[in-house]
Amino acid sequence: DAMVIQNPRYQVTQFGKPVTLSCSQTLNHNVMYWYQQKSSQAPKLLFHYYDKDFNNEADTPDNFQSRRPNTSFCFLDIRSPGLGDAAMYLCATSRDGSYGYTFGSGTRLTVV
Amino acid sequence: AQSVTQLGSHVSVSEGALVLLRCNYSSSVPPYLFWYVQYPNQGLQLLLKYTTGATLVKGINGFEAEFKKSETSFHLTKPSAHMSDAAEYFCAVRKINAGNMLTFGGGTRLMVKP
Repeated sequence: DAMVIQNPRYQVTQFGKPVTLSCSQTLNHNVMYWYQQKSSQAPKLLFHYYDKDFNNEADTPDNFQSRRPNTSFCFLDIRSPGLGDAAMYLCATSRDGSYGYTFGSGTRLTVV
Repeated sequence: AQSVTQLGSHVSVSEGALVLLRCNYSSSVPPYLFWYVQYPNQGLQLLLKYTTGATLVKGINGFEAEFKKSETSFHLTKPSAHMSDAAEYFCAVRKINAGNMLTFGGGTRLMVKP
């Protein structure tokens, strides 16, 4: 089945140690998004790729970076995780001009 | 700017009772509207969406929602709650002037009592 896959499902990292979360899709959607969702809160958009064009939300900290080497893969890099970065990170995709998103199952990040 | 308000961060119903989760939006033009469900430690799953056409939209798992332009609302309902409906529900609107961006409401946690 076509889908959005996030790895790993659970990630534990040390304070200040760089960490990378990955997302892959078999839907051939041209738009990919990264959301951060803290406990009992709505998902918050960090950035998105429209094809190869990177679009950063104004309030996304510089600590968060992203890479999209090809249509299928997108990575979220956290350069120096702090305790406040512990959250669920959700990847989503959409096709240009379509109305809805397809979400992955998320990666729950713990910072120790 | 568009925003989404979900009234009630927590809603509790008995099994078999009506489920009503409220969502209001603010927009200068009718946006596209969505309801997503999230189970613990899972991603978001699309329940239903309104784009154009019929204002009563049926989704998965017996849920439906009605777009009411005059009330700027898109409330989610289900006639009879099931224990498996316990989850977090998010209403979302599509940003009209910023590509395909979704703006989410704060979420409503639905609890179903036996």
